[in-house]
Amino acid sequence: NAGVTQTPKFQVLKTGQSMTLQCAQDMNHEYMSWYRQDPGMGLRLIHYSVGAGITDQGEVPNGYNVSRSTTEDFPLRLLSAAPSQTSVYFCASSFDGKNNYGYTFGSGTRLTVV
Amino acid sequence: DAKTTQPTSMDCAEGRAANLPCNHSTISGNEYVYWYRQIHSQGPQYIIHGLKNNETNEMASLIITEDRKSSTLILPHATLRDTAVYYCIVRPHTGANSKLTFGKGITLSVRP
Repeated sequence: NAGVTQTPKFQVLKTGQSMTLQCAQDMNHEYMSWYRQDPGMGLRLIHYSVGAGITDQGEVPNGYNVSRSTTEDFPLRLLSAAPSQTSVYFCASSFDGKNNYGYTFGSGTRLTVV
Repeated sequence: DAKTTQPTSMDCAEGRAANLPCNHSTISGNEYVYWYRQIHSQGPQYIIHGLKNNETNEMASLIITEDRKSSTLILPHATLRDTAVYYCIVRPHTGANSKLTFGKGITLSVRP
């Protein structure tokens, strides 16, 4: 049981490049979400999914796309990276999204856009 | 989500109890109090949650006042590894809104 696995751990992109941040969980959790964390700030919700085939926007969705084709995976896509997207990205999952069992977070992806 | 207010920082001595306060004066009847912590550079970690009764688990205790307008997270015997940012969050337990809203939290420094 690996929990929530995020890859890569570190990434440097040039402005305008695209990439996908991977997130996978092996706990059969229905709910998954993506957060970003900037220095001195709390975590901000980007997108979330309450189950396979269902996604919705969070607080800061612009510049990011998501899809949820399987229960296990919830990738985050940056279509055209911008320096403002330099941040640490965390993926989280929960059994039911209602916090009954708490959220499990991955270890993060540190992204720098130059 | 109801807003929470936490001090910016606090410290305590290793081996002593750490009492972390949180104000949530606008909490609604169906909202729970959750605590998470984030150790430097790691993802947040769930600690505990409660509605109105005091709760205890292997990590901590949660004391919620009778009027539910404030709560205290207690780490009974703080260690250096408990140095982290602690987030107090209130949110509905049920319903379509499945979002966690993080504030800035309180930075706990445990000193030797």
